[in-house]
Amino acid sequence: RKEVEQDPGPFNVPEGATVAFNCTYSNSASQSFFWYRQDCRKEPKLLMSVYSSGNEDGRFTAQLNRASQYISLLIRDSKLSDSATYLCVVNWGMNYGGSQGNLIFGKGTKLSVKP
Amino acid sequence: NAGVTQTPKFRILKIGQSMTLQCAQDMNHNYMYWYRQDPGMGLKLIYYSVGAGITDKGEVPNGYNVSRSTTEDFPLRLELAAPSQTSVYFCASSYASLGTEAFFGQGTRLTVV
Repeated sequence: RKEVEQDPGPFNVPEGATVAFNCTYSNSASQSFFWYRQDCRKEPKLLMSVYSSGNEDGRFTAQLNRASQYISLLIRDSKLSDSATYLCVVNWGMNYGGSQGNLIFGKGTKLSVKP
Repeated sequence: NAGVTQTPKFRILKIGQSMTLQCAQDMNHNYMYWYRQDPGMGLKLIYYSVGAGITDKGEVPNGYNVSRSTTEDFPLRLELAAPSQTSVYFCASSYASLGTEAFFGQGTRLTVV
């Protein structure tokens, strides 16, 4: 069964807070991992790819633990403009379900940053 | 920069009607996808294409058809609309499959009544 699980939230945090999102995936053969951001009634947009060694982009840090099949996103110094839904996305790989291009989306975690 | 363009943005269909959702990309991407997103749910893959003339089913293909006659265009056809097809439809494209960014269109909000 193809599953990418996320805490749906919502996460309500004050400006300046640090917030962490978690995601687990069921396919150990998954090959690529991403965090997408989706604003209300808009299309998803890539926030960052997630690499095995962990990676950082400004206030955003992504971590991958292949052994635990776990991905995380940390947002430091939250801004009002960070309010959105954050989607955990996993590329399932060719040998599971037949589609190399099959991106599996979690249901998303909603973040609301308050003044 | 057009990117991925979807039309229409909104549509109301009656049960049993047919329609085609249009999708075009100008980035010369080989891979194109159709997803649907229901409220509070993740995106579900309907169909995808790895190049002109090649299409394949995704997770939820029933009730839909696609074609890919050119690299740029990937229309999605609903033959007999049903209330269960009320959803937001997103078209996306990517240069390759593994490890590359997927670019999404702005979506089509479809209501079947």
